[in-house]
Amino acid sequence: KAGVTQTPRYLIKTRGQQVTLSCSPISGHRSVSWYQQTPGQGLQFLFEYFSETQRNKGNFPGRFSGRQFSNSRSEMNVSTLELGDSALYLCASSPPLAGAGEQYFGPGTRLTVT
Amino acid sequence: AQSVAQPEDQVNVAEGNPLTVKCTYSVSGNPYLFWYVQYPNRGLQFLLKYITGDNLVKGSYGFEAEFNKSQTSFHLKKPSALVSDSALYFCAVRVTGGGNKLTFGTGTQLKVEL
Repeated sequence: KAGVTQTPRYLIKTRGQQVTLSCSPISGHRSVSWYQQTPGQGLQFLFEYFSETQRNKGNFPGRFSGRQFSNSRSEMNVSTLELGDSALYLCASSPPLAGAGEQYFGPGTRLTVT
Repeated sequence: AQSVAQPEDQVNVAEGNPLTVKCTYSVSGNPYLFWYVQYPNRGLQFLLKYITGDNLVKGSYGFEAEFNKSQTSFHLKKPSALVSDSALYFCAVRVTGGGNKLTFGTGTQLKVEL
């Protein structure tokens, strides 16, 4: 089975711009979660989508948004970029189990805001 | 709210020696506990999880972890370290009813030397 894929892998943007990151989960996985990783704040949960609905949301400003499509692919969008948004953005998918299935992470998108 | 603490930023161990990476957690309710490993410029790889049952959990690459409810700990162990185990290790917790949101510790850099 193919793993979680994220595109693009690297991105350089300017302050004030907006950016869209894409995530394709493992086939059959319906839950997609997004995390931000920075040296200062570590790994922080952004949001989770399940069957096209946002199921959980972390403590991030409204500039961060996401969506999920009917094929479970997900996108996250950051508007009005700030320098502090520079980070590794990780996407993870989970199998449709009733119990605590582990999450499978993609390689991440490295966003640099200048 | 749940939280995870990894008290050591870095652990150094000689190849062939046993290793322990510490993790303590705080949750309301029953925890699901996970260990992930991250190599440079890569996403997170799942190592093992505790859901219920035996307190000693075995995972990938010879790693194991011991769940201790009274001490709220979930330390990662390996009987004999390899240089290739050098990486960043994250402990994470989920709670029942919380969807797939993971709360991560700050990470422990493991360095295995010859």
